[in-house]
Amino acid sequence: QKEVEQDPGPLSVPEGAIVSLNCTYSNSAFQYFMWYRQYSRKGPELLMYTYSSGNKEDGRFTAQVDKSSKYISLFIRDSQPSDSATYLCAMTTTSGTYKYIFGTGTRLKVLA
Amino acid sequence: NAGVMQNPRHLVRRRGQEARLRCSPMKGHSHVYWYRQLPEEGLKFMVYLQKENIIDESGMPKERFSAEFPKEGPSILRIQQVVRGDSAAYFCASSPATGELFFGEGSRLTVL
Repeated sequence: QKEVEQDPGPLSVPEGAIVSLNCTYSNSAFQYFMWYRQYSRKGPELLMYTYSSGNKEDGRFTAQVDKSSKYISLFIRDSQPSDSATYLCAMTTTSGTYKYIFGTGTRLKVLA
Repeated sequence: NAGVMQNPRHLVRRRGQEARLRCSPMKGHSHVYWYRQLPEEGLKFMVYLQKENIIDESGMPKERFSAEFPKEGPSILRIQQVVRGDSAAYFCASSPATGELFFGEGSRLTVL
């Protein structure tokens, strides 16, 4: 079993839709959670960073963490064609080595 | 404040040659990570370094691969005697003492 599971998609939605992206994980020691956006042939760009259960909002993006279910989500409101990219979840423990584990990414396409 | 700088962006090598990839972390960041990404796959952790120290190299192949982060100068990922299977995008990321990872744009290695 992979430490982090993420549906690869692709996920196609119409412009303006609410997008829900999800990751599940197996290691209860993970404490820090991140979402990255990666455009084709570019480096991953940090979107959200959180370390507690609950919701964190930044503009059109909301990150949700449920540690009891080992489940994290990223919601994108009013999606735009410019949101079309691959979204990666990442997480790490507080063990000191800070080895960040990434999901395989979900490819999102927002149709104009 | 410049981001994480990687060079070269593209590198072509013939089988058996050496590849050297360089990474300058963001100003003030003392932690450097190297990740590898194959097409349609997620980011695979290779190595985590602090200045002059390798903290965790559990993701790096035992042979042909080495990494360093000297007191002065960029971090170097070195691949000796490259093979076709080494063709991939190699991403460097840096972080402050602990916390968010910030990525460079990557170095794309093609082995002929």
